[in-house]
Amino acid sequence: DVKVTQSSRYLVKRTGEKVFLECVQDMDHENMFWYRQDPGLGLRLIYFSYDVKMKEKGDIPEGYSVSREKKERFSLILESASTNQTSMYLCASILGRGLGHGYTFGSGTRLTVV
Amino acid sequence: AQSVAQPEDQVNVAEGNPLTVKCTYSVSGNPYLFWYVQYPNRGLQFLLKYITGDNLVKGSYGFEAEFNKSQTSFHLKKPSALVSDSALYFCAVSHLSGYSTLTFGKGTMLLVSP
Repeated sequence: DVKVTQSSRYLVKRTGEKVFLECVQDMDHENMFWYRQDPGLGLRLIYFSYDVKMKEKGDIPEGYSVSREKKERFSLILESASTNQTSMYLCASILGRGLGHGYTFGSGTRLTVV
Repeated sequence: AQSVAQPEDQVNVAEGNPLTVKCTYSVSGNPYLFWYVQYPNRGLQFLLKYITGDNLVKGSYGFEAEFNKSQTSFHLKKPSALVSDSALYFCAVSHLSGYSTLTFGKGTMLLVSP
């Protein structure tokens, strides 16, 4: 069974800290995505990557960066965490550029910034 | 730009009754359409997709969805609801041409009462 694994289910960080959210997939997928999920707002795309060392901004990239040094790993970085970045973060991956098989999602990381 | 509207924040239905969760979309060109389900504290699970062909699409757990091009809708349906169907449902859209990402709706909470 294909898997997308997010390293932490729950995380509490202080304002101003640098935060790393890790995502690993074992399906040899080229494309990986980071979304944040907030009540009443649905899922909003932060960044995505279609190849190693490649990255593209999504709809809400401000305050975030990403790193993709290996095909299987896609990291989301909060350079200086703020309370408005308290959210559920979801990682997803997909094979190739076609959307025919849909995304495979990780279980999510619930981040609280205090 | 592409967008998805889920007009209902919540849908309540009694077990055994048919259910419908509504979705309308806006996209330039031909759409890819998806439904995902999210159970509490979990990532999103793929339910079904429409790419081309038959307007009635069957998916997991007895769900189906009807693509209506003239009304730009892709409503999720099930003939007989189960209490275990209670979850958060997301509609998502992309377009067929070239590479693109999925845009999600805000989600609809489905509550099935015994």
